[in-house]
This record gives sequence, C-alpha cells and structure tokens, in this order.
Amino acid sequence: GAVVSQHPSWVICKSGTSVKIECRSLDFQATTMFWYRQFPKQSLMLMATSNEGSKATYEQGVEKDKFLINHASLTLSTLTVTSAHPEDSSFYICSATGSPVPSYEQYFGPGTRLTVT
Amino acid sequence: DAKTTQPPSMDCAEGRAANLPCNHSTISGNEYVYWYRQIHSQGPQYIIHGLKNNETNEMASLIITEDRKSSTLILPHATLRDTAVYYCIVTNAGNMLTFGGGTRLMVKP
Repeated sequence: GAVVSQHPSWVICKSGTSVKIECRSLDFQATTMFWYRQFPKQSLMLMATSNEGSKATYEQGVEKDKFLINHASLTLSTLTVTSAHPEDSSFYICSATGSPVPSYEQYFGPGTRLTVT
Repeated sequence: DAKTTQPPSMDCAEGRAANLPCNHSTISGNEYVYWYRQIHSQGPQYIIHGLKNNETNEMASLIITEDRKSSTLILPHATLRDTAVYYCIVTNAGNMLTFGGGTRLMVKP
C-alpha cells in the first residue's frame, strides 16, 4: 500500500515557540491531504483539508492563523503550530489521497506527538 | 455524512472471530461504509469498505444489511495484534473522514 510519513515522530517545545510538522507521501502524488488532532483517549478530529497549490480549508473552531498549513507540492504538506501553548499538546496525524492510489482510500501517517511545556 | 453508532468496547478470544457491529440508520444512497482501525499511538489503517454488497479482503469481511442501516466487520481469526480501536465511518467516496468514538477491541489470549 501507499506510504505516508511524518516528521518528527515526537517533539517537545517551550510555550510560545513554533513547531513545524511535515507530512510526506512517499510513493504517490497526494492531491489532497488532511490534518487531524487527537487528544488522549479521544477520537481523531479533523482540523483542515488542503489541496495541492490551494489554501487549506479549516474546520469550524480551528484557528487558521495558529495552525498554518502549506501544501506546496504533491508530496509534502506542513503544519506549523505557531506560539504553541500547553493546551496544543496532542497527537497530530496527517492523511493523504491522490494518484494513482484508489480514491476511496486515505493513507495515514504514523502521527506526531507534540508536548508543549 | 451519516452518523454511526458502535459499542464502546468488545472482548474477543484469540483465534476466534471478532464481529464488530455498526449502526448507520441515516445512510444515504451514495454513501459508503468504511472501516479503519487505530492501534495505540499509531495512525489509522484502512481495513475495508463497501456500498451495498458484502466485501472480503485479506484483512476482514464486511457484511452490510439489505436496508444498509447496519453493518458488521468480521475479523475471522483474531490475533493479539488485532487489539485496536475500530472505526466505522459512512461517507461519500473520496470525502473527508469523520471519526466517531469507535469500538475498542481487546483480543485476549
């Protein structure tokens, strides 16, 4: 199956700093990427959807100026958490769909665990 | 997207079949039933999907009732590595996935 990677797998940062998380599709062209957030013992919550070359569409309640998403190429999307606070500590997961993978299937990355101290 | 209802948790003995139910009574005609699972601290993994016919692949079988208002995911011979949270999601093909609470399956030796 298609592979999606994320980097870093975990990161610890100080409150007020910014953190960038990368999501890469390794063997297919990701025309659409999704970013999710998952708090402990909770389900995944969709944060935003991005199409290559376009601005991301954010879900209600997600601050677009705080969570900057860039999908500049068909293999890379980045999520930057700006001015991170402890409440941003979470498990961030990306997924992708595109070509030539089946349109019905989304491929998920392994996730990035962010801890803000 | 149609809402789904799943039991919060289930146990299954290793080697036995695990049957995970899902209710989706408000499903519309062009919506698919998808199943994903998430092993602890990993990204979700696609298992199977279907529209109205039963489906089978190397991982599982999906049984959809004739009225499409419910479905069952069957893991024919559960192993300890199948311990995970299983999500039933109803949506149009290619759409974003909305994750509910899922079913936490514990496979026991």
